Formats: sequence, C-alpha cells, structure tokens
Amino acid sequence: GAVVSQHPSRVICKSGTSVKIECRSLDFQATTMFWYRQFPKQSLMLMATSNEGSKATYEQGVEKDKFLINHASLTLSTLTVTSAHPEDSSFYICSAQPRTRSLPETQYFGPGTRLLVL
Amino acid sequence: AQSVTQLGSHVSVSEGALVLLRCNYSSSVPPYLFWYVQYPNQGLQLLLKYTSAATLVKGINGFEAEFKKSETSFHLTKPSAHMSDAAEYFCAVLVGTSYDKVIFGPGTSLSVIP
Repeated sequence: GAVVSQHPSRVICKSGTSVKIECRSLDFQATTMFWYRQFPKQSLMLMATSNEGSKATYEQGVEKDKFLINHASLTLSTLTVTSAHPEDSSFYICSAQPRTRSLPETQYFGPGTRLLVL
Repeated sequence: AQSVTQLGSHVSVSEGALVLLRCNYSSSVPPYLFWYVQYPNQGLQLLLKYTSAATLVKGINGFEAEFKKSETSFHLTKPSAHMSDAAEYFCAVLVGTSYDKVIFGPGTSLSVIP
C-alpha cells in the first residue's frame, strides 16, 4: 500500500519550453502533496505544499510563476516548469500524505522525475 | 527552529560489519523523526519513524534507531551490513505548526565494501 507514482520518470526539453510532471497517489487519498527538488549529491529541498482544491504554498525563494502547482483531485498533483532553462535541470520528487488524523503523518514518496533542459 | 544534522556525509563499512549513521535534532518540542533511504535515481523509502511510543524503533531491512532525548539523537543502526544497503540515508524531522512539513538532513552516503 501507499504507492506514489510520477510521470514522466525522465524528460529532456529545449530551453524555453514548459514541462508538466504528474504525481499520483495510487491506493490512497492525499489531501496534501509536496514537491521537492534535489540537486546531485544533495538533500531534498521543499519547493511547495499543495492541498487539494486550494492554492499551493511555496517556500521562500521558489518562484510560483515558474513552478505552477495544481492539486486538482485527492490523487493527483501536477508541477509545471514554465519556460524552462538549463538551471532548472534537476531531480524533482513529489510526496503524498494520507490523512490519518494521528501524528506523525507519514509522507510517501514518488520515484522522482529527472529533468534535463538543453 | 527545528532541524536535523547528520554527522558524516559519507560512511564506509565492510560487509557484515555494524552500520551506524548519526542524526541529531534540534527541537523545542517533542520531535517526530524519520529515517529514509534513497537508492540511485529513485525516490525515498521510509525506513522507520519515531512516534514517542517507544524509544527503540525497529524498521525495515533490519534497521533500527534509538531516540535519546538527553543526547538529542536518533542514530540509525544495523548489526550486519549487506551490499544492498549501499545508498543515501536521510534523517528528517516533522515541523510546522500543524506538523505538516518534513525537513531533511543533508544525508549520509553509505558504502559497503565486500
């Protein structure tokens, strides 16, 4: 149980194009999903928190107009990297948190999406 | 602010030897702590979590961690390393007024020598 998928697993795009990454919770409903960015040999940095049906909350320093997040349903969140540039190349990981009403609520992670912008 | 530190960005052990990965936390409130493992080019897998129910927490793959409040530590151990344990390990703490965010430590890369 508690499986989270991401699609695509790997994407290469040209500079200036937009890329959409999907994150799905396959066997549970996630009222909250998180998007992280991970540079090589580094830890995960939280980019934003998205709650179903409401606007995402972005961490300080993350451009909300560049990284568009939509949490349209209890099982799907999308991250769109708009007008991608080479510096946006990174490993993007999502996580989903089922609502259990008991702490600590555990996040389940997707397998990640490797983005390379040429 | 709550945070975690991991002493040693890289740890190398022989196959069959004890694995010890260190994690220290800073928190003014009882912390909720996690250990995650990440294999190359993959997402994170939860190894174990501390929920205050017991100070010694057993996780998957033979790993366990002990919460020591006096030392503000939550070190991860495994009695006997296996080659398949080679991976990146992250200690994390749940933060936020509603405990709705996870802050990760810098990670420790574990190598297992045959």
